[in-house]
Amino acid sequence: GAGVSQSPSNKVTEKGKDVELRCDPISGHTALYWYRQSLGQGLEFLIYFQGNSAPDKSGLPSDRFSAERTGGSVSTLTIQRTQQEDSAVYLCASSSGQGNGGNTIYFGEGSWLTVV
Amino acid sequence: KNEVEQSPQNLTAQEGEFITINCSYSVGISALHWLQQHPGGGIVSLFMLSSGKKKHGRLIATINIQEKHSSLHITASHPRDSAVYICAVEGGATNKLIFGTGTLLAVQP
Repeated sequence: GAGVSQSPSNKVTEKGKDVELRCDPISGHTALYWYRQSLGQGLEFLIYFQGNSAPDKSGLPSDRFSAERTGGSVSTLTIQRTQQEDSAVYLCASSSGQGNGGNTIYFGEGSWLTVV
Repeated sequence: KNEVEQSPQNLTAQEGEFITINCSYSVGISALHWLQQHPGGGIVSLFMLSSGKKKHGRLIATINIQEKHSSLHITASHPRDSAVYICAVEGGATNKLIFGTGTLLAVQP
């Protein structure tokens, strides 16, 4: 596609349910990042993929959060047993970088998650 | 202390004014990004800098690596420039972004 595509754009879920958020990066981009933006908070890093590998998972807030990437393309962020504090916008970004920096980063529109 | 500090946090300007937003950082970086986020909208990359100065239309971004400081300038500001401007630095082994808290700009007609 022309840009980074995320789905769903909005998700309301009940506390305790699992959710899956999908990111389809720009074709050919090997680097993929997940970030989170909570209401009134800044952006925080969650996880970085280079190809299918995740060399940096340091931002995942708990073991309820996991992510995978297959075929060097689509990534799924899974949140198990959702809690109200998980409510946020989950942003995916991709770049053509190989982890050496200095590449333009393209963001998706985000998935707005509300846990009720 | 945050690794990336922006100032001001909020800025109100009259249409046509020259605007400056500052960013200071305390970590080693490979690049610095200026991002724009409109209310309810996605994030758009404005500039990626590793040295010097870049210009795109009415926007100018500069970086001083020695002083660990960058500025974003908007000339002849317009109400459509109203948005949150975010400074983010790229560094570390995986070059993940570390974000500033953003500057909320409102340009009044």
